[in-house]
Amino acid sequence: DTGVSQDPRHKITKRGQNVTFRCDPISEHNRLYWYRQTLGQGPEFLTYFQNEAQLEKSRLLSDRFSAERPKGSFSTLEIQRTEQGDSAMYLCASSLTGNEQFFGPGTRLTVL
Amino acid sequence: GENVEQHPSTLSVQEGDSAVIKCTYSDSASNYFPWYKQELGKGPQLIIDIRSNVGEKKDQRIAVTLNKTAKHFSLHITETQPEDSAVYFCAAVTFGNEKLTFGTGTRLTIIP
Repeated sequence: DTGVSQDPRHKITKRGQNVTFRCDPISEHNRLYWYRQTLGQGPEFLTYFQNEAQLEKSRLLSDRFSAERPKGSFSTLEIQRTEQGDSAMYLCASSLTGNEQFFGPGTRLTVL
Repeated sequence: GENVEQHPSTLSVQEGDSAVIKCTYSDSASNYFPWYKQELGKGPQLIIDIRSNVGEKKDQRIAVTLNKTAKHFSLHITETQPEDSAVYFCAAVTFGNEKLTFGTGTRLTIIP
């Protein structure tokens, strides 16, 4: 049973650079979610897809953030012109039902 | 929107004793309540969940109870073991929505 995978696991970048993260969901799951987690806090919802359609975006998702799921399988999350405040763990989850969400290991982003 | 409060923020128990973590939610339309366990450097792992039409659910040493009237739910871990040490998060999902709203987490330490 292959779980949710994320790549890279760690990313260090300089302020102002663009970064892109990838998430591969559990194969039969049509729903995919992105969350952000800062130190000592619970994950916060960013956006989600049902198949290739992006159905909801949080106000946390500024215009520097863009997410895609072009073929309804893997997803990418891009952050343009990174800021130090973007440093966080970016978590991806997938679901078949919309309730039970299974998380990947996350991508830890550090913006210097 | 939904707001979830969780307490305590830290909890230490002797190995073999029970641990209880409590959460309250604000939106009476919430109908799904999962609990996640997060170990250092890993993504959250779904350990148990409960839906609003059920008052209690048990899975081996863990159980969850839900009081819809009071809008609170609790995680109970019995016969605690060292491997139960982790950060635990409660979450809630509002009916018609799919985003998880998380509590702030409880760091559980099992003392051998």
